[in-house]
Amino acid sequence: EAGVAQSPRYKIIEKRQSVAFWCNPISGHATLYWYQQILGQGPKLLIQFQNNGVVDDSQLPKDRFSAERLKGVDSTLKIQPAKLEDSAVYLCASRGQGYEQYFGPGTRLTVT
Amino acid sequence: DQQVKQNSPSLSVQEGRISILNCDYTNSMFDYFLWYKKYPAEGPTFLISISSIKDKNEDGRFTVFLNKSAKHLSLHIVPSQPGDSAVYFCAASCNSSMNYGGSQGNLIFGKGTKLSVKP
Repeated sequence: EAGVAQSPRYKIIEKRQSVAFWCNPISGHATLYWYQQILGQGPKLLIQFQNNGVVDDSQLPKDRFSAERLKGVDSTLKIQPAKLEDSAVYLCASRGQGYEQYFGPGTRLTVT
Repeated sequence: DQQVKQNSPSLSVQEGRISILNCDYTNSMFDYFLWYKKYPAEGPTFLISISSIKDKNEDGRFTVFLNKSAKHLSLHIVPSQPGDSAVYFCAASCNSSMNYGGSQGNLIFGKGTKLSVKP
């Protein structure tokens, strides 16, 4: 069974530029999550999708972050415009019937 | 306010000995607990979990213990191997309470403990 795929793996941008991340969850997993992990911290939830609907986006900075999962499979997370404090690893995870979430390799974003 | 705490940023253990990683939580509505292992430049990998109705779950060299009255869980690795060297994250979720203030099923993570197993 293929795992969660993410791209790109690394991205360097200047502040005020925009960036987008892509995630493909494990086949058949209806629930998809985006997390932000700042160095030295645990992952922090940004947004949760159930199929193509948003379940929880209470911690998403909506003035600059947006996410979509149009067909209930792949998802994209966008930041526009980026700030220095957005430098982090962005993790995508998916969940099937159980309570465990399975993570992709992450995208390391550096904002200069 | 941190709901899941891992108070030891790092732990060093000799190969073959036991590694004990600790985690405390504050929200009594958490009913499912998980441990993840993370190598550099990789995403967290699910390791082992435990439901709040149990006090112990074992999978090979890994055992998780849950003490609900103390709101404490621990991960035991016996025997420790150099390949176990990684950052270990404790996570908790609430999946069944209608009174839970957050979103059910979402994971709340600790800050992680870096385990080093020396040959």
